[in-house]
Amino acid sequence: KNEVEQSPQNLTAQEGEFITINCSYSVGISALHWLQQHPGGGIVSLFMLSSGKKKHGRLIATINIQEKHSSLHITASHPRDSAVYICAVRPGGSNYKLTFGKGTLLTVNP
Amino acid sequence: NAGVMQNPRHLVRRRGQEARLRCSPMKGHSHVYWYRQLPEEGLKFMVYLQKENIIDESGMPKERFSAEFPKEGPSILRIQQVVRGDSAAYFCASSPPGQLANAYGYTFGSGTRLTVV
Repeated sequence: KNEVEQSPQNLTAQEGEFITINCSYSVGISALHWLQQHPGGGIVSLFMLSSGKKKHGRLIATINIQEKHSSLHITASHPRDSAVYICAVRPGGSNYKLTFGKGTLLTVNP
Repeated sequence: NAGVMQNPRHLVRRRGQEARLRCSPMKGHSHVYWYRQLPEEGLKFMVYLQKENIIDESGMPKERFSAEFPKEGPSILRIQQVVRGDSAAYFCASSPPGQLANAYGYTFGSGTRLTVV
């Protein structure tokens, strides 16, 4: 069993829909990252959080440390949001080593 | 203020050849991390380096793979005698040192896609 599990693996939405991607992890962590990767492209760091909630534009990330769970929300989704979204955790006691989920492939249709 | 620069973007090597992947960290970042993304798999940690030091290479295959981050110049990930199974995307990330990394996290490069034919 992976230390980091994401759901769903694939998600198709219509433009304008509200999107939620989930991440569950099994180890104590010092931080959790949400990353975005376009097909054949590089990786962009969206959020790093260790508690509560962060918002940037149409993106919102939340984390519940007790339940070892995080969600990434996209409001008013747009075709340009189509990408792979990756959850990564930094285990407690490590200030550098990330463990990654396998990613969620999001496709937003116009 | 350039981000993390990786080159080449795409690299094709025949089996048995050597592959050299380069990573220049963001200005002000002294920590470099290499990750490998195999097809249909998630990213996996390979190695963590600071200038002239390998801090953690626990994710590196024991043979054929090596990494360095010299005092001057980019970090290099070197794969000797490549095999088809080495075909993957290799990503580099950098961070500032210490507590700044906790505050600002990591910046990733665009990756090098290695194809072994």
